[in-house]
Amino acid sequence: NAGVTQTPKFQVLKTGQSMTLQCAQDMNHNSMYWYRQDPGMGLRLIYYSASEGTTDKGEVPNGYNVSRLNKREFSLRLESAAPSQTSVYFCASRGEGGRNTGELFFGEGSRLTVL
Amino acid sequence: GQSLEQPSEVTAVEGAIVQINCTYQTSGFYGLSWYQQHDGGAPTFLSYNALDGLEETGRFSSFLSRSDSYGYLLLQELQMKDSASYFCAVRDAVTGGSYIPTFGRGTSLIVHP
Repeated sequence: NAGVTQTPKFQVLKTGQSMTLQCAQDMNHNSMYWYRQDPGMGLRLIYYSASEGTTDKGEVPNGYNVSRLNKREFSLRLESAAPSQTSVYFCASRGEGGRNTGELFFGEGSRLTVL
Repeated sequence: GQSLEQPSEVTAVEGAIVQINCTYQTSGFYGLSWYQQHDGGAPTFLSYNALDGLEETGRFSSFLSRSDSYGYLLLQELQMKDSASYFCAVRDAVTGGSYIPTFGRGTSLIVHP
């Protein structure tokens, strides 16, 4: 089982360039999330999607856009990259049912550097 | 809003027991989770407490006191491979049916031989 797959794993951009981080999950989960992780800051929510066709802002949405293309895929786009967006980006998904622990399944991360 | 406090770093020796504390403030509380993250890796789920008391999973246990807005992760018989960052996360107000977890800043556990 692949779980949550993110691409690319590494990316270097110049200020002002745009790019899209791709995320796909094969667990038939409804909810998907994008987090960024910076040293000493934990995981901060950028955007989330509770179901196909819906997206909502999280704690740090400025400079980002998202698309929930279908139930499997949730992409994150940087329209005009800035050095402050240098970070590690994690996509996660969550299923329902069972003990309803709210367990998030994370991808391996995408390491983005903006010069 | 929500806030979580946990120590930035904890050190211990192999074979010992270590406790990582987490205090939280939230407008609505449903449960407290713990995640482990090794350097360069993805966070992985360890445990979840919705009710007061202790949940045990092998060498790891997690405790919750809702009245004190406090929980901890207890790691027993420490091994070198337990060196990692540990995050507490609050399951708080559900907005329109969405589940939005908020993470603490993480505790770096260093296990010495």
